[in-house]
Amino acid sequence: DSGVTQTPKHLITATGQRVTLRCSPRSGDLSVYWYQQSLDQGLQFLIQYYNGEERAKGNILERFSAQQFPDLHSELNLSSLELGDSALYFCASSVAGEGETQYFGPGTRLLVL
Amino acid sequence: GESVGLHLPTLSVQEGDNSIINCAYSNSASDYFIWYKQESGKGPQFIIDIRSNMDKRQGQRVTVLLNKTVKHLSLQIAATQPGDSAVYFCAENFSGGTSYGKLTFGQGTILTVHP
Repeated sequence: DSGVTQTPKHLITATGQRVTLRCSPRSGDLSVYWYQQSLDQGLQFLIQYYNGEERAKGNILERFSAQQFPDLHSELNLSSLELGDSALYFCASSVAGEGETQYFGPGTRLLVL
Repeated sequence: GESVGLHLPTLSVQEGDNSIINCAYSNSASDYFIWYKQESGKGPQFIIDIRSNMDKRQGQRVTVLLNKTVKHLSLQIAATQPGDSAVYFCAENFSGGTSYGKLTFGQGTILTVHP
């Protein structure tokens, strides 16, 4: 158990819908990261937050957004969902923000029908 | 067109053998590298890391080697056990510029250990 929690574990929804994925980092970690894992793209970095502020951005679609709250938990919002958004979404956390171990949560499996 | 999944390299070994998993990384400026293990249905699990000012680091039953000249990373697992069966990913981080904590992952290698 990494200490990073994610909810929900599974999510099934329809195209065009909006969903919110939630992540709680390890106690004491200030940085939260979101990654997408799909069969054809592998593990891809989406976005990083540090102590409530956006720190780094990857190839995150405009339909996707995230935020980190004062209690350091984070949410990833996915809107206007398409079939191709079906994937595993992982949250990771680390103490600070660069050049250090990131600990991953168990992931949320999203299926868009 | 038809969507095709990634074809991951595979490595099959017998229990007790040593395993070597290789990874070519992309950014010559990367200064931090991590190996993760991912079992089916779970998130990536940290195994070992190394910084660019080192060329070797050892953990419990695992060793990571870094060759910056050819941008190559390897993970050696000693006395491989069936519980080591998983997908192994290398990841790199360049902490300069605007990348901060962004990890860039390799495609992964499937390790299968036969009893």
